[in-house]
Amino acid sequence: AQTVTQSQPEMSVQEAETVTLSCTYDTSESDYYLFWYKQPPSRQMILVIRQEAYKQQNATENRFSVNFQKAAKSFSLKISDSQLGDAAMYFCAYRIPVNYGGSQGNLIFGKGTKLSVKP
Amino acid sequence: KAGVTQTPRYLIKTRGQQVTLSCSPISGHRSVSWYQQTPGQGLQFLFEYFSETQRNKGNFPGRFSGRQFSNSRSEMNVSTLELGDSALYLCASSSGTASYNEQFFGPGTRLTVL
Repeated sequence: AQTVTQSQPEMSVQEAETVTLSCTYDTSESDYYLFWYKQPPSRQMILVIRQEAYKQQNATENRFSVNFQKAAKSFSLKISDSQLGDAAMYFCAYRIPVNYGGSQGNLIFGKGTKLSVKP
Repeated sequence: KAGVTQTPRYLIKTRGQQVTLSCSPISGHRSVSWYQQTPGQGLQFLFEYFSETQRNKGNFPGRFSGRQFSNSRSEMNVSTLELGDSALYLCASSSGTASYNEQFFGPGTRLTVL
């Protein structure tokens, strides 16, 4: 069974500094997708960044980037120039492509990392 | 474009009762997924609907059920509530069935079972 592990329950970063959140996963699949979601205290989850496993290049979205190591099954999120608004729970998630009957496959989430940003 | 809406936002029920939660996806989205979020178990997948058909189901007992209507709105029902069903129930919609498609989450329904 696929699993996602986030080993850091809580992290803290100074405003304007850089922080890296860790995520490892276990799968026997070769084709899959990885996501980082952010859940601010208001609870609405939003997508931060996504990575397709067959793509070697690490995904980047503005101040957010990932370090995807397929062989090591590692998918860490780097937040540069941290801002107060980055404070939230961050969830790493995994999905396998399921191409039958219109299903896109469910997300398997890690337990999350609570990020605090100090002014 | 309006986001995913979920009603009600908060619910308090007692053990043994049943409850129905509603989710309205983003206009044009046909895929709706439900997740349960608890402090202990984290986020767990309940089920996924596409074009009124359940396409995928998580490992939850039969007390948890759902359906999707022709306008893509979805409901989930929990019968014979247990204390352990207290959770935040999240609904997510997606525009298509491709696995890289983003799922847009609603604000959730906070269910408390007394």
